[in-house]
Amino acid sequence: DTGVSQDPRHKITKRGQNVTFRCDPISEHNRLYWYRQTLGQGPEFLTYFQNEAQLEKSRLLSDRFSAERPKGSFSTLEIQRTEQGDSAMYLCASSLGHGTNPQETQYFGPGTRLLVL
Amino acid sequence: GEDVEQSLFLSVREGDSSVINCTYTDSSSTYLYWYKQEPGAGLQLLTYIFSNMDMKQDQRLTVLLNKKDKHLSLRIADTQTGDSAIYFCAEIDSGYSTLTFGKGTMLLVSP
Repeated sequence: DTGVSQDPRHKITKRGQNVTFRCDPISEHNRLYWYRQTLGQGPEFLTYFQNEAQLEKSRLLSDRFSAERPKGSFSTLEIQRTEQGDSAMYLCASSLGHGTNPQETQYFGPGTRLLVL
Repeated sequence: GEDVEQSLFLSVREGDSSVINCTYTDSSSTYLYWYKQEPGAGLQLLTYIFSNMDMKQDQRLTVLLNKKDKHLSLRIADTQTGDSAIYFCAEIDSGYSTLTFGKGTMLLVSP
């Protein structure tokens, strides 16, 4: 396994269109995270899954955003009716953890860069 | 809520040591992390430190933690041009789920 992968790496779309991104975590990792990074900022947490359950969502995740992890492996992040403010790098990370393990190092993928015109 | 702050820019000459500083506010932080991001790439984990430690060394990297002042630093010895990147400090919440990042410090290493 070569790490966390994300697809596509770049996406250009017009305002109002829907987009979907995919993340494949490290194979044995049960936790998967989505972050958003805008220019000049650090990544901001959006949501995370433990196996197929979505356990936490940030207030940044508006109702236009939805994330799924149906079989506890890969995850998709969909943005409906995109807006120019959605332009950002969307980062996925995974970790192996059980909630009581403090050393749940998160390993990041290369990100999907979204540009909304 | 948690807040992590870093200086935005650091410029050093090749061969010098670099020190990147970070302050955080969450006193319940258990682990603190340093990540590196090269242009157009994702984040690479460099090192981490547990809150009951005050120093950790890993090859050219030394992490110092002052828990009383909530101050974390990353020292890179013998800095190379390949070290030029953005360095992010991050803390993890008490539920061990959410990382809170600083805005990043851009390190520029000149020959």
